[in-house]
Amino acid sequence: AQTVTQSQPEMSVQEAETVTLSCTYDTSENNYYLFWYKQPPSRQMILVIRQEAYKQQNATENRFSVNFQKAAKSFSLKISDSQLGDTAMYFCAVRLIQGAQKLVFGQGTRLTINP
Amino acid sequence: DVKVTQSSRYLVKRTGEKVFLECVQDMDHENMFWYRQDPGLGLRLIYFSYDVKMKEKGDIPEGYSVSREKKERFSLILESASTNQTSMYLCASSPRKAPYEQYFGPGTRLTVT
Repeated sequence: AQTVTQSQPEMSVQEAETVTLSCTYDTSENNYYLFWYKQPPSRQMILVIRQEAYKQQNATENRFSVNFQKAAKSFSLKISDSQLGDTAMYFCAVRLIQGAQKLVFGQGTRLTINP
Repeated sequence: DVKVTQSSRYLVKRTGEKVFLECVQDMDHENMFWYRQDPGLGLRLIYFSYDVKMKEKGDIPEGYSVSREKKERFSLILESASTNQTSMYLCASSPRKAPYEQYFGPGTRLTVT
């Protein structure tokens, strides 16, 4: 079974700063996808970024990038030049490529960007 | 754009009532999921379905059942609602093929009194 741990329940930074959210996971499989999802206050959950475990290169999407350390089973999210609209709950999740087609989520990190 | 809709944003029910939560997606996705979201616990999978009339238990199926009679619609049923089922319920859908991204509905906040 897969498990995902987000050890930071809450974080708060000033606008324009860089912030890193931590995520560790555990799986005995070698092929999987990792995801970061964002849930703004009272709004729908959306995908932020995705990483395929077989790719060594870290994924980036504009101001969002990941630090994927497969051996350490670590998948952190870095948000550069943070904006007020980045205020949200952030969830890390893992999905196996084979077998059950479900996501396993971490507990979430509540990120607040202060003006 | 993918759209996943849920029948209610807010719902208040009494203990013992039968509750139906409906979810509809418009992208012809094979997979559909029901999660509950609680503070400090993240999202936990209740049931999922990978095809019409097919269903599989997730991590916390007790007290719930599901129905998928049509590809676009996935219903979550609380046979006899209890106060410990007060929660946010999220529906999601995904294609069967990579990259397997799940698309979420807006959620239903259910309160059982």
